[in-house]
Amino acid sequence: DAGVIQSPRHEVTEMGQEVTLRCKPISGHNSLFWYRQTMMRGLELLIYFNNNVPIDDSGMPEDRFSAKMPNASFSTLKIQPSEPRDSAVYFCASSLKQGILGNTIYFGEGSWLTVV
Amino acid sequence: AQTVTQSQPEMSVQEAETVTLSCTYDTSESDYYLFWYKQPPSRQMILVIRQEAYKQQNATENRFSVNFQKAAKSFSLKISDSQLGDAAMYFCAYRSARWETSGSRLTFGEGTQLTVNP
Repeated sequence: DAGVIQSPRHEVTEMGQEVTLRCKPISGHNSLFWYRQTMMRGLELLIYFNNNVPIDDSGMPEDRFSAKMPNASFSTLKIQPSEPRDSAVYFCASSLKQGILGNTIYFGEGSWLTVV
Repeated sequence: AQTVTQSQPEMSVQEAETVTLSCTYDTSESDYYLFWYKQPPSRQMILVIRQEAYKQQNATENRFSVNFQKAAKSFSLKISDSQLGDAAMYFCAYRSARWETSGSRLTFGEGTQLTVNP
């Protein structure tokens, strides 16, 4: 089975530009998470969805960040306008709610974002 | 709120030997899940092993095993017969079983950087 798929893997952009990160969760998973990892702050949960509905977005740093999940197989995280302090690795992750493997969160390979 | 603490920022082990990484957590809940994730230089987060709090038996996955002490809120990872490919950052993580609250989130420790010496 395919794991969580993220794109792009690497992105370098100029300050002020819009950045869109994409995620395809594992088929059948009903929860999706966006995490950010930096040296200073470690791993932070930005937002998560259950059944395509945003449940907790308290980790979204500011209004420049937005996330959508239009259907069960796709999600986006958008930063507009981007700033150098947004440089980080952004992870998408997904999980099942129940079942033998329920409650285990599987991560994508991450999107490395550099804002110059 | 739950917290996870990894008190060893760095550890090293000789190839083929055994190493134990420590993790403690704080929670008032009785039902939860614990995980160890491995993050190699590629930055990918790879699940190593998981433990359900209601299970007394310690989880094992090949060369990886845990020592889960629920009363002490301790969850250590033992890596046997260490291999060069085991070198990575290891994160301990907690997840509540209560989906209705913010318990769906994973709470991570600070990580332990493991070096494997040939």
